[in-house]
Amino acid sequence: DAGVIQSPRHEVTEMGQEVTLRCKPISGHDYLFWYRQTMMRGLELLIYFNNNVPIDDSGMPEDRFSAKMPNASFSTLKIQPSEPRDSAVYFCASSRRGGGHNEQFFGPGTRLTVL
Amino acid sequence: AQSVSQHNHHVILSEAASLELGCNYSYGGTVNLFWYVQYPGQHLQLLLKYFSGDPLVKGIKGFEAEFIKSKFSFNLRKPSVQWSDTAEYFCAVNANGGFKTIFGAGTRLFVKA
Repeated sequence: DAGVIQSPRHEVTEMGQEVTLRCKPISGHDYLFWYRQTMMRGLELLIYFNNNVPIDDSGMPEDRFSAKMPNASFSTLKIQPSEPRDSAVYFCASSRRGGGHNEQFFGPGTRLTVL
Repeated sequence: AQSVSQHNHHVILSEAASLELGCNYSYGGTVNLFWYVQYPGQHLQLLLKYFSGDPLVKGIKGFEAEFIKSKFSFNLRKPSVQWSDTAEYFCAVNANGGFKTIFGAGTRLFVKA
């Protein structure tokens, strides 16, 4: 099992640019989560999907953030336009119903730096 | 609303010292409880979990945690830490049957060799 795959691992961009983060969940997992980790705010849940449908997006900070899951094996988190305060590590995680009482498996993260 | 509180943001210990990291949660129903560990530069991985049964659960690398329902606590312990335990530790909770998991702010543990 390859685990959760995220790309890119590192992204450096300039303020105002569009950023797209990608995630491939573990095959067979029907839940996908996007988190943001910063020193100041810790680990925050941004949004999660079940069977490709967004269930709770209350953690998405503002309209500049959007997430999609066009199929069971792929999700994107987009920031447009990006701002320096968006600099963080973004983690994707996946889970499956009945699997370990909803244990989540995390990807390696994308470290985003917005200059 | 669910919340998780971790008592210490930073802990510094010498090798062979005993460890206890505090975690309290706020939720009125039945919960699943987790401790995740994040080694430097790596992603979060599960250390141990509790969902029912024996309130004392054992995880990988000699870690254990005790669920005390009356105190809404799930403290992590290890009798003798090693330098390789240097990491950030996150307590997390979700409602039984739920998938939205709330994480604590994390505790950074540094073990001096």
